[in-house]
Amino acid sequence: QSALTQPASVSGSPGQSITISCTGTSSDVGSYNLVSWYQQHPGKAPKLMIYEGSKRPSGVSNRFSGSKSGNTASLTISGLQAEDEADYYCCSYAGSSTPHVFGTGTKVTVL
Amino acid sequence: QLQLQESGSGLVKPSQTLSLTCAVSGGSISSGGYSWSWIRQPPGKGLEWIGYIYHSGSTYYNPSLKSRVTISVDRSKNQFSLKLSSVTAADTAVYYCARAPMVSPGAYAFDIWGQGTMVTVSS
Repeated sequence: QSALTQPASVSGSPGQSITISCTGTSSDVGSYNLVSWYQQHPGKAPKLMIYEGSKRPSGVSNRFSGSKSGNTASLTISGLQAEDEADYYCCSYAGSSTPHVFGTGTKVTVL
Repeated sequence: QLQLQESGSGLVKPSQTLSLTCAVSGGSISSGGYSWSWIRQPPGKGLEWIGYIYHSGSTYYNPSLKSRVTISVDRSKNQFSLKLSSVTAADTAVYYCARAPMVSPGAYAFDIWGQGTMVTVSS
């Protein structure tokens, strides 16, 4: 099972919106509505931002939203803020033999 | 509030076995409905799922590591453990333990993470 493909970096100015893609296959992203997204600041553990493709855990800003089309999931950050600068990872369920497959990770830079 | 804390050897010699433990506090590992995973992150690289265990003891491993990985649970101590054999420098990483619900809401999403522990493989 290969890692899901994410762009290495995405940048935007404060207040703008950015979208991070997460491309998998019909065996993972395309088959299940079980994509999650994580934010990781340097030296810190990842934090769950989106689960089941588009749902936000309690306490996560509504500036973060998730969606899916075919084999590609996306995370959109609207109203970009300096504190959003971090690495972001997607993760998908890929069946009982490989329940979790992570994406390659995207570094978000706030200009 | 449930918390996870990793512990174990920070330095392992090549060809030896890496051993880590994740202590669960604020809740019971024996309660159903969750999987308990190990995830690692080599320096400057991405996340890799290693495997998970249910409270029942059933395990699932990443096929790429399956031959070298053993995850076990100690319900009396409310903790679960990772053993990775025949380590090489490529196994140098921060190792995290994490919890994921098995059913909705939040199915297969890691909602609680430990702080991580750095393991270096070097002679």
